[in-house]
Amino acid sequence: AQRVTQPEKLLSVFKGAPVELKCNYSYSGSPELFWYVQYSRQRLQLLLRHISRESIKGFTADLNKGETSFHLKKPFAQEEDSAMYYCALMTGNQFYFGTGTSLTVIP
Amino acid sequence: NAGVTQTPKFRILKIGQSMTLQCTQDMNHNYMYWYRQDPGMGLKLIYYSVGAGITDKGEVPNGYNVSRSTTEDFPLRLELAAPSQTSVYFCASGRGMAHSSYEQYFGPGTRLTVT
Repeated sequence: AQRVTQPEKLLSVFKGAPVELKCNYSYSGSPELFWYVQYSRQRLQLLLRHISRESIKGFTADLNKGETSFHLKKPFAQEEDSAMYYCALMTGNQFYFGTGTSLTVIP
Repeated sequence: NAGVTQTPKFRILKIGQSMTLQCTQDMNHNYMYWYRQDPGMGLKLIYYSVGAGITDKGEVPNGYNVSRSTTEDFPLRLELAAPSQTSVYFCASGRGMAHSSYEQYFGPGTRLTVT
């Protein structure tokens, strides 16, 4: 079975502090992993995908196959980063989402 | 472009009633998806389609049906509503599965309550 775990439902950090949102997955093949974000009163949207190895809005995520993790990181959190973040795993044509982490950046 | 649109935004159903949730996209995407999200939970895939005339089950298909007669539309049908189907339903669309460019575009959601 394929599963995605986000252990933190809520995460609060101060503005300017580093932030890390955790994501662990369970999948026996080569995973395709994504981070999606939902800002207040907006639709769920793609933040980044591991295959692109990109940095979006200062966020990066590295796939660690040994630890089966895909944690999302940003060195200096901004107030506009406050949102709900979902980690997602794609296998074939199916997607599996984690339960999400609500990030609050305190001014 | 309107992107992905869903109707209705809200609906209250009585147990045993039926309804169709509408989803339309104007981006000419081949792939379309239906998810449900229960309170405090992640999105769970109900059904998906890789093109007109082709549909397949996701993780939680029981109690639902779909059809894909056109590229643009992907309606989700609830035949006999049950309280367990109380949820927020999201439709999404995307291009092919070329991983370097793949992205899902989500609709605003439909909040359904079954009492």
